[in-house]
Amino acid sequence: GAVVSQHPSRVICKSGTSVKIECRSLDFQATTMFWYRQFPKQSLMLMATSNEGSKATYEQGVEKDKFLINHASLTLSTLTVTSAHPEDSSFYICSARDIFQPQGAPRNGYTFGSGTRLTVV
Amino acid sequence: QKEVEQNSGPLSVPEGAIASLNCTYSDRGSQSFFWYRQYSGKSPELIMFIYSNGDKEDGRFTAQLNKASQYVSLLIRDSQPSDSATYLCAVIGSGAGSYQLTFGKGTKLSVIP
Repeated sequence: GAVVSQHPSRVICKSGTSVKIECRSLDFQATTMFWYRQFPKQSLMLMATSNEGSKATYEQGVEKDKFLINHASLTLSTLTVTSAHPEDSSFYICSARDIFQPQGAPRNGYTFGSGTRLTVV
Repeated sequence: QKEVEQNSGPLSVPEGAIASLNCTYSDRGSQSFFWYRQYSGKSPELIMFIYSNGDKEDGRFTAQLNKASQYVSLLIRDSQPSDSATYLCAVIGSGAGSYQLTFGKGTKLSVIP
């Protein structure tokens, strides 16, 4: 089945530094990548949607200059948390839509990466 | 604001019993409905999806959808301790141009041996 590889799985960084998270679709081409953030005991909150070759669309309240998303190819999307602060500590998860999924709402959902636990100290 | 509501639980059931998980959604035009299971510290995994009114069965799992009531549920028969996890209801709403999922907060299920 479709697999999305997400790295790193865990990262600890100092406040003020930047962290890059990668999501790769291993056996399919991802036309759309969704980035989520999940705080403890909370649900997944959509941060942004990116389509290959175009700028990401950010959800209300998400700073696009702080969370840089690049989706330069059909198999790779990256999220860079710039100037990270302790309040950015969270679980970040990507999910991908297969380019060959039929138009319209996906009948079988999307493939999720394994998540990245970010801790900013 | 499109919302997906779930009882956060925890829901405790004895091993072998039926676990019933419920979800309501605010967007009447929602298109597709999903149940994901999430173990602590892990990413969600798809359990069921449903898009037509009625029941859909897959092994021990049955999803039920009632669009008139804006209600979707998941039944787990013969619950096992390995079913203990948080169950997330997710919806693709109307006007979701990129067909993004909106998640509920999840219901924590505990199956007691």
